[in-house]
Amino acid sequence: KQEVTQIPAALSVPEGENLVLNCSFTDSAIYNLQWFRQDPGKGLTSLLLIQSSQREQTSGRLNASLDKSSGRSTLYIAASQPGDSATYLCAVKETSGSRLTFGEGTQLTVNP
Amino acid sequence: GAVVSQHPSRVICKSGTSVKIECRSLDFQATTMFWYRQFPKQSLMLMATSNEGSKATYEQGVEKDKFLINHASLTLSTLTVTSAHPEDSSFYICSARSTGRVGQPQHFGDGTRLSIL
Repeated sequence: KQEVTQIPAALSVPEGENLVLNCSFTDSAIYNLQWFRQDPGKGLTSLLLIQSSQREQTSGRLNASLDKSSGRSTLYIAASQPGDSATYLCAVKETSGSRLTFGEGTQLTVNP
Repeated sequence: GAVVSQHPSRVICKSGTSVKIECRSLDFQATTMFWYRQFPKQSLMLMATSNEGSKATYEQGVEKDKFLINHASLTLSTLTVTSAHPEDSSFYICSARSTGRVGQPQHFGDGTRLSIL
């Protein structure tokens, strides 16, 4: 059974700092991995999707990497801003038709 | 971009009431929609997978007679919490995947906060 772990569970940083969120998964045979953002009381916003054949994806100040063989993904946020404060979730899909398996999330607070 | 609309965003009702939550894909067709439940400070728990034109597939431990799912069209799935009780109070989130090309991201609604008094 696939298990997804995110470290740290919570992170507080000053504005402007670069930071890395970690996601690990137990079964490396994944189809894709997706990073989401969740604001309090809201649904999920998709940030980046990495297919199993890809090593990384970038969108603005966000960069997500994938190392399938070691079962790891990282989300790099450059020049963090208070508006980045949210919970970040990673999720893996094992086949094209399967469900997403979510990690517990990292709650990020960026202090002005 | 793709948008999933979920309605209502918040429901407060008395114990014993049945509550219906709608999930619509606004600019794409979704053969498959997913219903999740989220407890405070926890991740999403998949409740069921909704397939257009067929019966939903429920996860282990989820009562299908309690949580009725209907996916009558390629853009609409509904979740009805029947005879809701306080322990059903939670945040419910739907998600949809485009019927088109494989490998597309899954898109989520804004969630429904259900509070049963």
